[in-house]
Order: sequence, then structure tokens, then C-alpha cells
Amino acid sequence: DAGITQSPRHKVTETGTPVTLRCHQTENHRYMYWYRQDPGHGLRLIHYSYGVKDTDKGEVSDGYSVSRSKTEDFLLTLESATSSQTSVYFCAIGPAGTPGANVLTFGAGSRLTVL
Amino acid sequence: TQLLEQSPQFLSIQEGENLTVYCNSSSVFSSLQWYRQEPGEGPVLLVTVVTGGEVKKLKRLTFQFGDARKDSSLHITAAQPGDTGLYLCAGVSGSARQLTFGSGTQLTVLP
Repeated sequence: DAGITQSPRHKVTETGTPVTLRCHQTENHRYMYWYRQDPGHGLRLIHYSYGVKDTDKGEVSDGYSVSRSKTEDFLLTLESATSSQTSVYFCAIGPAGTPGANVLTFGAGSRLTVL
Repeated sequence: TQLLEQSPQFLSIQEGENLTVYCNSSSVFSSLQWYRQEPGEGPVLLVTVVTGGEVKKLKRLTFQFGDARKDSSLHITAAQPGDTGLYLCAGVSGSARQLTFGSGTQLTVLP
């Protein structure tokens, strides 16, 4: 595999509960991204990181927070899950340097269902 | 926000047929990528094009970047069932720092 692991792969939770998704990489890539994928919308960027403790918002960041305390781990947290956050979440990594940062390797996805 | 429109959204063809998928935008992109995604997996990069008018071939797949760098196409010759999947285009524009993805084309190749 490409050295990127997402966990959990599947999760069902209830509205209002906190949820954390984890992305772990063994490639030592500088850039890490969280996307969500919904029918008819393709992939939309939630947050991304360009280094340890360096993060920025993407297109659909409301309701989500992220943390990156180590190069290899990028966490996505839903503080209080809502049904609109039911989706498949993908983590991606990219090496430093343009266009490397935008040449992405994706994880296998985490399917989240919020009831 | 740069918008990438893909067409068709769905395509079902018989094995051996040819097909073309389009990715269009009103924005200029510094580079454009094509990914293929299979069920239960993440997208996998197929190709990156960076020069207006550029053509790249990957076996039976031909990718073209428009002269004005606003559009791209993917042509598959003699499609096979193994080509089945969701094809996504993604671009980086000069004013943005991240990829913008199209909504995808779901291709089904029937044996």
C-alpha cells in the first residue's frame, strides 16, 4: 500500500456526539488533507496541513477541526456530529514542492453515518 | 471558487467501444490531473498535464489539456471492464493553493 491509513474505516454515530477520524502516513510527506465525498459533489476540501501544527481551512470547514501534532498523524474532529456530516471522508498526502503538494495519494476512506 | 464541470456524469458502454470524458471550466489552471476511483477505495492519480495543448498517453487512455488550459479530455480506446470506475478531474489555478475536483464521471464497461 501507499503508506497511508485511515481509521476507523466505518463508523455509525448519533447526532450531537463527537467523532474523531485519524489519518496516519509512513511517507514523511509534508502536506496532509481531509476531503469529504458526497454524490454529485466530487471531493471537497475540509482542512489541510502544510506541516506540524500548521493547518488551514478548506472549502467546507464549518463544523470540523483538525490537529497535527506529528508529521505522520492528521486528525479530523467533528465536535458535535450532524446528519449533514454523513459522508465518506478521505485523507490525502502530498510531498513538499510544487506541484508535489498537489500530487495526492489518497487513503481508502472512512465512511461516517450520523443518525 | 473555481468550478470544474465533468460530462457526462454517467456513461455505460459495451466492451470494445471508445469513449471521451470532458472536464471544463471558466478558470485557467496551472495544472490538471485525472484520477480513477474504484468502489471502496480512494482515488488514484492517472496523469498530470501542465502545458496548454499537452497530450499524454497511458496505454489505451489519452489525456489532453486544452490550449487555453481551461479544459481537458480523457479518451479511452477499446474500453475494457477493468476500466470501470469513477473518473475525476482536478485542477490547480494560480489564485488557489489546493486542488479543485470535478464531480466525476461514473463509467461502466459491460462485458
